Amino acid sequence: DIQMTQSPSSLSASVGDTVTITCRASQRINTYLNWYQQKPGKAPRLLIYAASSLQSGVPSRFSGSRSGTDFTLTISSLQPEDFATYYCHQTYSSPRTFGQGTKVDIK
Amino acid sequence: QVQLQESGPGLVKPSGTLSLACGVSGGSISSNYWWSWVRQPPGKGLEWIGEIYHSGTTNYNPSLKSRVTISIDNSRNQFSLNLGSVIAADTAVYYCARNWGVDTVMVGSLDYWGQGALVTVSS
Repeated sequence: DIQMTQSPSSLSASVGDTVTITCRASQRINTYLNWYQQKPGKAPRLLIYAASSLQSGVPSRFSGSRSGTDFTLTISSLQPEDFATYYCHQTYSSPRTFGQGTKVDIK
Repeated sequence: QVQLQESGPGLVKPSGTLSLACGVSGGSISSNYWWSWVRQPPGKGLEWIGEIYHSGTTNYNPSLKSRVTISIDNSRNQFSLNLGSVIAADTAVYYCARNWGVDTVMVGSLDYWGQGALVTVSS
């Protein structure tokens, strides 16, 4: 199985900050990497697919990038509604696997 | 607007079978998508269970494969999950989701999700 290691596991930030979350794959996955946002008691919401493509309806302050097997989700100018848990998700091979999640809370 | 809705018992006895259905509205389950199940134990992360195509082709997580069956009913526009021989560790919120195929530009991402169904395994 491909392991997805997210870092950090949690972070505290203020409104207006730029936040960066990293996900490292245990082997090559090309751009088969997606990012989701999950709020308490809610289903995950797709933010980014194929490493850097913004899902329709998602604010442009969210962006994704790739460098080899390292993937980054960046939230520019953090908004109050962005405090949530974020997961990466590889679909390069089966079984599909998720990172362990990064919780973003208010400083 | 596509909507998915899970349904099924919220309590299952140990060694029993967990059965959930996912009804799809606002679109045909026979379209060129895969349909997935993902679960989340309380306070923990997401685990992929498996997926099915409208033709009936399935992919399962090997860690659950011996206990899992995913089926599809195109006439009722729904797909289902059966997980047998359940134990307490199977207690989780179970989500169904629409899955773009990995050979599309969406690379297998999950764009529409159900609200989730909490299933507790307990006697």
